[in-house]
Amino acid sequence: NAGVTQTPKFRVLKTGQSMTLLCAQDMNHEYMYWYRQDPGMGLRLIHYSVGEGTTAKGEVPDGYNVSRLKKQNFLLGLESAAPSQTSVYFCASIRPGQGKTGANVLTFGAGSRLTVL
Amino acid sequence: SQQGEEDPQALSIQEGENATMNCSYKTSINNLQWYRQNSGRGLVHLILIRSNEREKHSGRLRVTLDTSKKSSSLLITASRAADTASYFCATDGRRNTGKLIFGQGTTLQVKP
Repeated sequence: NAGVTQTPKFRVLKTGQSMTLLCAQDMNHEYMYWYRQDPGMGLRLIHYSVGEGTTAKGEVPDGYNVSRLKKQNFLLGLESAAPSQTSVYFCASIRPGQGKTGANVLTFGAGSRLTVL
Repeated sequence: SQQGEEDPQALSIQEGENATMNCSYKTSINNLQWYRQNSGRGLVHLILIRSNEREKHSGRLRVTLDTSKKSSSLLITASRAADTASYFCATDGRRNTGKLIFGQGTTLQVKP
């Protein structure tokens, strides 16, 4: 049982390049999330999904797109990377059965460190 | 805007002392959670307290919730060097949209 797996773990991009971060979970979780973590800012929600085929905007969605074509995968895309998107990105998902009751306890991946030059 | 805000931002104590971290939030919630993050790792869930609860314990952790003040505190008793980490509170909104918002975190250093 791998939990939540993020790939890649590290990536360096040049301004204007595009890339996709992949999050995969093998726990049959309904809800999935993408956060970014910056020094002194805590975690900020980028986008989230409450089920296959659905996505919603979080606090800081601009510059990012997401897709949830399969229940186990949640992709975060940067179409034209900017230095302001240098950050550590975390994917998370919710244990089954708890999302609908309001107790959204997250399981996190190990993070993906992205540097945009 | 951030739902949860924590203070202090950083805390340094000696092993064996207690550590208290506070979290304030802005809107009504269903529950509040605390997470821990070791350096370079993802966050790990510690404890959840529901909006109709005032206090909850788990091992050396004690969480309180005051919905009238929109605040919560996390107390770690008899701290150990291994408790050195960042601690975050997280809240959902009253409407169960699945959205979970984190505070900025408190960095705790426990000196041996």
